Amino acid sequence: NAGVMQNPRHLVRRRGQEARLRCSPMKGHSHVYWYRQLPEEGLKFMVYLQKENIIDESGMPKERFSAEFPKEGPSILRIQQVVRGDSAAYFCASHRTDTQYFGPGTRLTVL
Amino acid sequence: SQQGEEDPQALSIQEGENATMNCSYKTSINNLQWYRQNSGRGLVHLILIRSNEREKHSGRLRVTLDTSKKSSSLLITASRAADTASYFCATDAYGNNRLAFGKGNQVVVIP
Repeated sequence: NAGVMQNPRHLVRRRGQEARLRCSPMKGHSHVYWYRQLPEEGLKFMVYLQKENIIDESGMPKERFSAEFPKEGPSILRIQQVVRGDSAAYFCASHRTDTQYFGPGTRLTVL
Repeated sequence: SQQGEEDPQALSIQEGENATMNCSYKTSINNLQWYRQNSGRGLVHLILIRSNEREKHSGRLRVTLDTSKKSSSLLITASRAADTASYFCATDAYGNNRLAFGKGNQVVVIP
């Protein structure tokens, strides 16, 4: 059983570039959550998606951030025109009943 | 939005001792969950306790929930060096799996 997969594990971008983070949920799971973790902080909810539908994006910054989960392929978290403050670990999770299963995260560093 | 808050933030103990950490939250919840995160890794689900439960056990873990005080505690008995990690509580207010995380407890178990 493959767990939640994320790639890349590490991503370095210069200010102004775009970052694309990918997440594949566990087999059979059709819902994905994205969280952001700043250094020394807990995780903050960003967005909740199911296939082809955004359920809850109340935690997403209003600008530069977008997420999708197409019918085929992984969920994508896209950050346009990155700034240094976007440097963080980004985790996705899928769930079965009440339990969320987290991926290993993508650590984004903005230079 | 509600947010779990752990207390204490850092704990250093000898192997074999018990480790206790607390979490408080601000609003009513559907359930509360504890996660472990090893340095630089993803989160691992440890245990979930529902709002109508007061205590739950899983192996060396014991979780209590006091909804009147809006607090929870996690006890790790007979700690091992491998228990060294950060421990986060997370609350689910509406049963929709949108989790609100605290800042975490850093636990170091000295062999």
